[in-house]
Amino acid sequence: DAKTTQPPSMDCAEGRAANLPCNHSTISGNEYVYWYRQIHSQGPQYIIHGLKNNETNEMASLIITEDRKSSTLILPHATLRDTAVYYCIVRVPGGANSKLTFGKGITLSVRP
Amino acid sequence: DAGITQSPRHKVTETGTPVTLRCHQTENHRYMYWYRQDPGHGLRLIHYSYGVKDTDKGEVSDGYSVSRSKTEDFLLTLESATSSQTSVYFCASGTGANNYGYTFGSGTRLTVV
Repeated sequence: DAKTTQPPSMDCAEGRAANLPCNHSTISGNEYVYWYRQIHSQGPQYIIHGLKNNETNEMASLIITEDRKSSTLILPHATLRDTAVYYCIVRVPGGANSKLTFGKGITLSVRP
Repeated sequence: DAGITQSPRHKVTETGTPVTLRCHQTENHRYMYWYRQDPGHGLRLIHYSYGVKDTDKGEVSDGYSVSRSKTEDFLLTLESATSSQTSVYFCASGTGANNYGYTFGSGTRLTVV
């Protein structure tokens, strides 16, 4: 029962912005949107998360629509090292039942 | 992240033998998790812990048991390994707070022959 929908793959040119979409039309009011990525079978790496406001950190920006039914992860200047599987996850943080449930993610390929 | 380590990194074992994988974290995180990752399935939760001696089942818990006797250690045991348990196993830990993501280990590649 996936709560998020992502395209299976996309690519972008090195140095350009990568905009990764995610649909979460059934998100609840207290669920956060989290993004993780997994580079070549390494452990997943936390990128960013948000509730309703747009967020930015040193890795990426997260844009959440006003109705919270979709979001976009933006890597402003993609590099070859950003090639990875990116997972969009919705979750209520905290508590014993607050678990990350991974879908299939989107494979981002950054081309030279 | 150096704050969470898994051992061993690789293991080959025979069908029917017991296997224990170890996850060690130095972040004093309350919550710890074991996932397995297989082609076509992504990461699936096996068991998790929400405190010392407090554990619960995830979506694919059959054939696995866990123990957490100390905050820093979360053990995953395959009582009698089967070929279907050949997989890459990832451990994760977190505070559970809304301003913190999980930290994942580097994984253990287990092959059951």
